[in-house]
Amino acid sequence: DVKVTQSSRYLVKRTGEKVFLECVQDMDHENMFWYRQDPGLGLRLIYFSYDVKMKEKGDIPEGYSVSREKKERFSLILESASTNQTSMYLCASSPASSVSPLHFGNGTRLTVT
Amino acid sequence: GQQVMQIPQYQHVQEGEDFTTYCNSSTTLSNIQWYKQRPGGHPVFLIQLVKSGEVKKQKRLTFQFGEAKKNSSLHITATQTTDVGTYFCAGPGDATNKLIFGTGTLLAVQP
Repeated sequence: DVKVTQSSRYLVKRTGEKVFLECVQDMDHENMFWYRQDPGLGLRLIYFSYDVKMKEKGDIPEGYSVSREKKERFSLILESASTNQTSMYLCASSPASSVSPLHFGNGTRLTVT
Repeated sequence: GQQVMQIPQYQHVQEGEDFTTYCNSSTTLSNIQWYKQRPGGHPVFLIQLVKSGEVKKQKRLTFQFGEAKKNSSLHITATQTTDVGTYFCAGPGDATNKLIFGTGTLLAVQP
């Protein structure tokens, strides 16, 4: 069974801190995604990657960057955390096909104070 | 940009009542996927529809893809407390491998 693991379930950071959210998948999937989930707004795509060292902006990339140095790992970076980045962050992966379903991690609830 | 909207945002039903959520895209979709997220959990894939007018069933759940491939619906017959959660539709975005999620419908079921 596909496993997508996010390094932290809960995280509390201060405004201005640099924050790293890590995601690892064990199924050799080409595609990896970072979404944030907020009440009433659904899941919004921040960044995605379809190959090692490749990245594409999603719908809300501002304030975020990503890194994919290895196929199994996709990191989301908040260069200088702000309170409006308090949210649930969900990582997902899928095989190369554009019609493949996503497999999600358990999520990281980030609070920026 | 492309948008995928769902209605209603929230629905509260008595156990045994039926429930329907509707998904509407601003653009034609090559396929549509449905996910369920239990409270405190993560979205889990339910089903994918590809053909215009397609209807698929999973026990008490019926999924439909519109003829114009711009809308979809999920209908649950005789809801149970295990159906509680948020239901999302999702369709391919303008870029390859990009999936755009709807705003979700939160279903509450009162026993």
